[in-house]
Amino acid sequence: NAGVTQTPKFQVLKTGQSMTLQCAQDMNHEYMSWYRQDPGMGLRLIHYSVGAGITDQGEVPNGYNVSRSTTEDFPLRLLSAAPSQTSVYFCASRAGHLSNQPQHFGDGTRLSIL
Amino acid sequence: QKEVEQDPGPLSVPEGAIVSLNCTYSNSAFQYFMWYRQYSRKGPELLMYTYSSGNKEDGRFTAQVDKSSKYISLFIRDSQPSDSATYLCAMRVQGAQKLVFGQGTRLTINP
Repeated sequence: NAGVTQTPKFQVLKTGQSMTLQCAQDMNHEYMSWYRQDPGMGLRLIHYSVGAGITDQGEVPNGYNVSRSTTEDFPLRLLSAAPSQTSVYFCASRAGHLSNQPQHFGDGTRLSIL
Repeated sequence: QKEVEQDPGPLSVPEGAIVSLNCTYSNSAFQYFMWYRQYSRKGPELLMYTYSSGNKEDGRFTAQVDKSSKYISLFIRDSQPSDSATYLCAMRVQGAQKLVFGQGTRLTINP
């Protein structure tokens, strides 16, 4: 049972480069989301999706793009990487966007922007 | 002021001790309360999940919610070195998408 799978696990980028962080879930969950985790800041919501074709902004969306073409996948794109985007990124999913069920997290992508 | 406040620690206790972890919050509309455990270099994993006020027990873990005081707690009995991790509280308003996290408390259980 894979759950939520994130790739890559680690990545180093130069300022201005773009890249896509991948997230896939095999639980047929409607709701998927992206968080970043920084020391002293806890987890902050970047973008979320309540189903295929539907996305919305979270707390800290600037500099990031998302799309949801399938139920399973929810990639996060960094358009032009900046040092302030150095962080650990977590993808999470939940059964049903109005569900009372809790979220399940992947193991994260550790991203460094030089 | 943050919506959810959690003492980041670090907290260090001897094996077998009872551990108390706490969060306070300001939004009285929060209805769902969660505790996640996060080991180093891993994603948060759900530990306890409660709705509204009251207590919930699961093995050595007990979660308490006091909505009148806007205060939630996680108790760990007979703590083990394997309990060493960062513990994150999280909460959500019913019908809302956003899950609001505390900043996490780093806990070490010393053998």
